[in-house]
Amino acid sequence: DIVMTQSPDSLAVSLGERATINCKSSQTVLHRSNSKNYLAWYQQKAGQPPQLLIYWASTRESGVPDRFSGSGSGTDFTLTISSLQAEDVAVYYCQQYYSTPWTFGQGTKVEIK
Amino acid sequence: EVQLVQSGAEVKKPGESLRISCKGSKYNFTNYWIAWVRQMPGKGLEWMGIIYPGDSDNRYSPSFEGQVTMSVDKSISTAYLQWTSLKASDTAIYYCARLRGSGTYVSDYWGQGTLVTVSS
Repeated sequence: DIVMTQSPDSLAVSLGERATINCKSSQTVLHRSNSKNYLAWYQQKAGQPPQLLIYWASTRESGVPDRFSGSGSGTDFTLTISSLQAEDVAVYYCQQYYSTPWTFGQGTKVEIK
Repeated sequence: EVQLVQSGAEVKKPGESLRISCKGSKYNFTNYWIAWVRQMPGKGLEWMGIIYPGDSDNRYSPSFEGQVTMSVDKSISTAYLQWTSLKASDTAIYYCARLRGSGTYVSDYWGQGTLVTVSS
C-alpha cells in the first residue's frame, strides 16, 4: 500500500494569512504514461462529508475558491490556502488514486489563530 | 444535481448482521464507480473499496476484504455495504461516494454518511 503522510497534524493561522499543508507519499503517484499526479485534496468540515477541492495535484474542482491551490509532483505535494477565511476551518486530507487501495493521509486540522 | 442518499443511523449488537444502502439519483448510476469510506469516531478517512454498478466489478482494500461485502442493485440505483457479524470496532460513519470516471477517479459527490454503532 502507498502510505500518505501529512504535515503538520494541525495548524492555527490568522484570518487572511497563508496556510500550507504538506503531503508525502511513500512511492511516486506520477504516472509516466500521461505525466499526471494521481493526488487529490479533500476538505471536511465538522459534521459534514468530505468535499473534493483539488485533483491531479493542482486542478481546482469547479466552484472551489481560487485561494485554494495545489502543487507538487512525484512524492511531495502541498495544499495552500492563500488567505485563510473563517469558513476554511476544517480537516484537510490528501489521497492518492494511483494504485488501490487508494489511501488517505491522516488529515490536517486547520483552525483560526 | 447528482445525489447520493444513504440509509439512516443503525444501532446493533456485536455478532448481528447489517446492510446499509446508498441510492444514487440525477445521473446514470450504472456508469460510475461507487466508493465506500470509513471514518471511525474522531479519526480520519479510510478507503474501503469500490464497486462498479454496471457489472459489479470491485476492488477491496486488504484491510477490509473478508470483513465487509459491497454489492449493487442497478435496477434501483442502489449500492450496499454489508456485514455478517458486527464487532464493536465497526462503530463508525460510513460514506459512499461517486467516482468521477473518465480516468479521473476522484470522489466528486458524497452521501451524507451512515452512523453505525455496535454496542452490547
